[in-house]
Amino acid sequence: ETGVTQSPTHLIKTRGQQVTLRCSSQSGHNTVSWYQQALGQGPQFIFQYYREEENGRGNFPPRFSGLQFPNYSSELNVNALELDDSALYLCASSLKGTSTDTQYFGPGTRLTVL
Amino acid sequence: ILNVEQSPQSLHVQEGDSTNFTCSFPSSNFYALHWYRWETAKSPEALFVMTLNGDEKKKGRISATLNTKEGYSYLYIKGSQPEDSATYLCASLSGYSTLTFGKGTMLLVSP
Repeated sequence: ETGVTQSPTHLIKTRGQQVTLRCSSQSGHNTVSWYQQALGQGPQFIFQYYREEENGRGNFPPRFSGLQFPNYSSELNVNALELDDSALYLCASSLKGTSTDTQYFGPGTRLTVL
Repeated sequence: ILNVEQSPQSLHVQEGDSTNFTCSFPSSNFYALHWYRWETAKSPEALFVMTLNGDEKKKGRISATLNTKEGYSYLYIKGSQPEDSATYLCASLSGYSTLTFGKGTMLLVSP
C-alpha cells in the first residue's frame, strides 16, 4: 500500500450539486496531484498542489478547484456537477524535487452524477 | 505523436507465456517515463521510472526499456503468472511534474 488515502470511496450526486473529495498524502510528501479517469480512458491530469499553491493545471474548467492544507492533505471541489463528471478521481502524492518525482496513488473515489 | 499511446489495448495469455506491451510518447520536452501496474480495486502501483535513452529496468520477471529519441518504451513480462493480471499504464512526465497517461493495456493471464 502507498499510504495515500482518499475519501469517500463512492459518492452519488445529482446534476448541479457540489462535491468535495479528500486526499491524505503519504508521510513526507509535499505535492498532491489530482486525476480524473473516465470510463475507457487513462487518468487525465486536473491540477497539482505544491506547498498549498496550485502548481499546474490541466484542461478542466474553473468549477474544478482545489486546496492543499499545511499537513499537505488536499481537497478537490467540483461545483455545478454535470453528468460527464462521473468518473474515478485519483489523487497522487509525491516529493517535489526528486529526480524521478514518482507519484504514489490512492485507491480513488468513484463519483456518479445522476 | 502528441499523446501517450499504448498497445495493445488488451491481451489474454496463458500462464507461462512471455508478453510485451508498447508505450509511445512525445519525444520533445521529455523528462521521464513511468510505468504503473493497476490491479482491480487497488491503487496504481509504480513499477519503473525511466529517464535516460537506452535505460533498462528490471523487477523480478518484469523489465522495461526506453528509447527517448524515437519516443517509445517496451514493458516485458517473462513467464506470465495469473497474479500479473492487471492494467499496465505508462505515463510521460513533463517538466512541470504532470503525468500524461496512456489508456493502458489490460492483461489477463489464464492458469
